[in-house]
Amino acid sequence: NAGVTQTPKFQVLKTGQSMTLQCAQDMNHEYMSWYRQDPGMGLRLIHYSVGAGITDQGEVPNGYNVSRSTTEDFPLRLLSAAPSQTSVYFCASRDRGPANEKLFFGSGTQLSVL
Amino acid sequence: GENVEQHPSTLSVQEGDSAVIKCTYSDSASNYFPWYKQELGKRPQLIIDIRSNVGEKKDQRIAVTLNKTAKHFSLHITETQPEDSAVYFCAASRGSGTYKYIFGTGTRLKVLA
Repeated sequence: NAGVTQTPKFQVLKTGQSMTLQCAQDMNHEYMSWYRQDPGMGLRLIHYSVGAGITDQGEVPNGYNVSRSTTEDFPLRLLSAAPSQTSVYFCASRDRGPANEKLFFGSGTQLSVL
Repeated sequence: GENVEQHPSTLSVQEGDSAVIKCTYSDSASNYFPWYKQELGKRPQLIIDIRSNVGEKKDQRIAVTLNKTAKHFSLHITETQPEDSAVYFCAASRGSGTYKYIFGTGTRLKVLA
């Protein structure tokens, strides 16, 4: 199993550009989520999904869109990038059920918005 | 809103000493408390977790304690080693079915050889 795969690893955007961060998992996990990590701010939840076709907002959803058309994929879209979105983005997934609460993280995407 | 406070933000200890990191949560319905370790440039990984029906849990040199009344939980690392140097995050969740984890702001632990 590859686990949780994120692409790209690094990205530089200009203000106003759009892009999609990709996240895929091969563990058949129902739950997938996106976090951003900023210095001194910890990991903040952007959006999450509890299954195909179901998404919900986290703590900091503004400026980001998500969709979940398959169990495996959970892309994060920036429609009009802003410098405040410069951050490291992590995708995470977990299985359902009380015995499966461990989050599996991807390797991260470092995004810079100029 | 839900919040998890984590202290200290940085911690330096001598190799072999103990390290303690403390977290306080605001949501009284939280019942699952994991700790993640993130080495430099790597992804966070779960190192230990505790549920609200347990007061303490140990795994070799690491332990977690939970005080539900005070709404705080702590990570204890004994006999620290250089490879323990990392950023540690606590988190709180209402448990399965909610899928929402609120993370603390992280503690950078440095173990000095």
